[in-house]
Order: sequence, then C-alpha cells, then structure tokens
Amino acid sequence: QQQVKQSPQSLIVQKGGISIINCAYENTAFDYFPWYQQFPGKGPALLIAIRPDVSEKKEGRFTISFNKSAKQFSLHIMDSQPGDSATYFCAAQRDSNYQLIWGAGTKLIIKP
Amino acid sequence: GAGVSQSPSNKVTEKGKDVELRCDPISGHTALYWYRQSLGQGLEFLIYFQGNSAPDKSGLPSDRFSAERTGGSVSTLTIQRTQQEDSAVYLCASSLGPRLRVHEQYFGPGTRLTVT
Repeated sequence: QQQVKQSPQSLIVQKGGISIINCAYENTAFDYFPWYQQFPGKGPALLIAIRPDVSEKKEGRFTISFNKSAKQFSLHIMDSQPGDSATYFCAAQRDSNYQLIWGAGTKLIIKP
Repeated sequence: GAGVSQSPSNKVTEKGKDVELRCDPISGHTALYWYRQSLGQGLEFLIYFQGNSAPDKSGLPSDRFSAERTGGSVSTLTIQRTQQEDSAVYLCASSLGPRLRVHEQYFGPGTRLTVT
C-alpha cells in the first residue's frame, strides 16, 4: 500500500511534442505529490508538486494532473525540448510522515 | 546560499575495505536523508535523521552500513568490508524537517562508489 507505480520506464519524444509520465498510488492518506527531475551526474531536484485538493497545477511548460478518485497523477511536459532530457521521479508523502515514497523513475529523451 | 555538498565525489575502493562518505546539509535543515541509487535505477532509502537522531534506520541493507550525524549538521555514512554489490551512487538530501506541509528535499550531487 506504500508503493507508487510509475510508467513508462523510458520515453522518447520528438522536440515540440508532449511528454506524459504517469504514476499511481494506493494509500489514500498521501497529502503531497511531487515530481523530481534528475540530470546525469546530479542529484534529483524538485520540479513541481501538487496536493489532492486541486486537480491540476501548471508551472510554465510543466503540468501535474491529479485524479483523486483514480488515485493517479501525471506529469505533462508541453513543447518538449532537448534540455528536458532527464530522469523524472514521482513521489508521494503524508504530511505527518517524513518519508517520501518514490516511483521507479522514467528516463525521458527528447529527440531534436 | 550553499546547497547540499557531498564528498568525495568519486571513490574507488578494494573489496573488503571500509569507506566513509560525508554529507554537509543546507544550514538550518534539521532533516537529513541518505539514499542509494544503482546505475539507471531508482532511489533506495537508507536512513533518516532528525537532528542527531536516526528514528528510521530500516533501509540500511546490512549491519556493514552505519551512519551518524553530529551537531545537527554533518553526516557520515560508513560502509565496512565493502562488497562489489555496494557499488552505486550514494545521495544525501536535507529538508527543513517535519514542519507541516514543508517537504521539499534538497539533494547533493552524490558520491559515486566503485568497489573493485
């Protein structure tokens, strides 16, 4: 029940296209759903996060869509650029708990 | 301000040797995490510190692994009698701590450990 399942494992998108990464969770007690971005040789960095009281959050070209009833959330990258090529991790956390539960990651490649 | 720093950035060691990995968190961050990331894989949680205490050591893979944190700041992860399967990138992260609704973890660049 603590798992966060992420798909796909890898994704290739043409420059200018839309990249979509999906995550599903079981524990309805989660309060916080972040996405982290990791470039090779670097640690992950917070990209965007959402709470279950909203269905969508947008920051620039990055959007999180959240479906509470389906227990799913997804990251959409609009107008994908080669600089977006990285590994993306979804995660989930309870406000009362220190621990982030991580998805397995998606390696995104944007072809020029 | 300065981010999370880790040293060394790379460490090559022989099987059976002990290694120490260091993490300097962001000043004022009371929570500190260690993770392990094998090549092309996800993040494996190792241990969490709140101040100098480690309430959750559940992720440590074996008793060869230990960690400490002093002064509520610097943390050291020690691996004794290293094995080839210990080869991975060890990531440290810090956060403001268990303040309600403030969860962002800031990661260091990691230490790449290679056991030969």
